[in-house]
Amino acid sequence: GAVVSQHPSRVICKSGTSVKIECRSLDFQATTMFWYRQFPKQSLMLMATSNEGSKATYEQGVEKDKFLINHASLTLSTLTVTSAHPEDSSFYICSARDLSQGNTGELFFGEGSRLTVL
Amino acid sequence: RKEVEQDPGPFNVPEGATVAFNCTYSNSASQSFFWYRQDCRKEPKLLMSVYSSGNEDGRFTAQLNRASQYISLLIRDSKLSDSATYLCVVILNTGGFKTIFGAGTRLFVKA
Repeated sequence: GAVVSQHPSRVICKSGTSVKIECRSLDFQATTMFWYRQFPKQSLMLMATSNEGSKATYEQGVEKDKFLINHASLTLSTLTVTSAHPEDSSFYICSARDLSQGNTGELFFGEGSRLTVL
Repeated sequence: RKEVEQDPGPFNVPEGATVAFNCTYSNSASQSFFWYRQDCRKEPKLLMSVYSSGNEDGRFTAQLNRASQYISLLIRDSKLSDSATYLCVVILNTGGFKTIFGAGTRLFVKA
């Protein structure tokens, strides 16, 4: 099946720094990718939809200036957590759908990135 | 009311037991349905799609009841390796496609 790769898998940073997370579709083109955040023992929460060549669509309550999304190519989307604070510590996961299989097919997930802000 | 609701769990069952998870959805525009499995500190992975006719994959059986807006997952002969969180996932078609995740049901299978 399709593969989505996410990097880094784990990052620890100091408060106030920015962290970039990459999400790549390895064997298909993804015009749309999704970014989720998951806190311990909670479900995935959609943060934003990343659109290739245009602005991302953010969910209510998600600060677009805090979580910068860039989708510059059909296989790469990046999420930058700017001026990270301890409350941003979470598990960030990206996903994409291989649209050649239709709009309602399986979502493929990256391996996730665990961010710890000290 | 949440768009997708699942049994809160956790479910604690012995090896070999049969366990059933339920999921209800509220939006009639729901078009596609899936069960995903998520292991601790890992990404979700597709377990199986859910069809109105019902589908089975080994020890796993999924059912969809559109009239009742209800989805189920049955696991027979539980294994220790089945311990995970099971996520009910629904795709809405409301002009655009939107994926909604249930909160997940945690399963612990014990020897």
